[in-house]
Amino acid sequence: AQSVTQLGSHVSVSEGALVLLRCNYSSSVPPYLFWYVQYPNQGLQLLLKYTTGATLVKGINGFEAEFKKSETSFHLTKPSAHMSDAAEYFCAVSAPTSGTYKYIFGTGTRLKVLA
Amino acid sequence: SAVISQKPSRDICQRGTSLTIQCQVDSQVTMMFWYRQQPGQSLTLIATANQGSEATYESGFVIDKFPISRPNLTFSTLTVSNMSPEDSSIYLCSVVSSRHSTDTQYFGPGTRLTVL
Repeated sequence: AQSVTQLGSHVSVSEGALVLLRCNYSSSVPPYLFWYVQYPNQGLQLLLKYTTGATLVKGINGFEAEFKKSETSFHLTKPSAHMSDAAEYFCAVSAPTSGTYKYIFGTGTRLKVLA
Repeated sequence: SAVISQKPSRDICQRGTSLTIQCQVDSQVTMMFWYRQQPGQSLTLIATANQGSEATYESGFVIDKFPISRPNLTFSTLTVSNMSPEDSSIYLCSVVSSRHSTDTQYFGPGTRLTVL
């Protein structure tokens, strides 16, 4: 079984500051991990994903995340926040190696960027 | 990624009525899913829409309340039956496409439902 924990339902950063959104997972098989962003009144957009291979993955809009198996983490970072980054961010896990493509989503983190 | 559209984009409905939401994809996809996102909450999987057969429902969701059809590889519908205010949510479809990435779900824009 899989589960996802996102620490911090709300995160505020100043424009230009580092963005760090935390995601920890639990999985009995090698996980696939995803970060999605949801802007107000829109659907979910894929930011980046980790399946296999390189543990540092780069996504769109300058975001990146590092898969750390020893820490069961997949934290999302961006060196410099922009006002347009204000949105809801969701971490998700799936386990295709166990035959399922279903996602388990975290509870989400709402990012606020302060001018 | 696949281009996914949903109709309607939003609706306001009366208690006791039903609403059918459509999900259309611009290419054939291998898997389609339906999610519910209650106000201020995360996404919860309702069911996997299976082409040509009955949908597979998650715990807590039943076919009588959320009947799903998937007549072909590009289209699915979700009906929210006998609605109550507790059904007010965003309903999203997602797809997995062998043309793009078999391990990634792509989401539609969602249908915002308000039940009075």
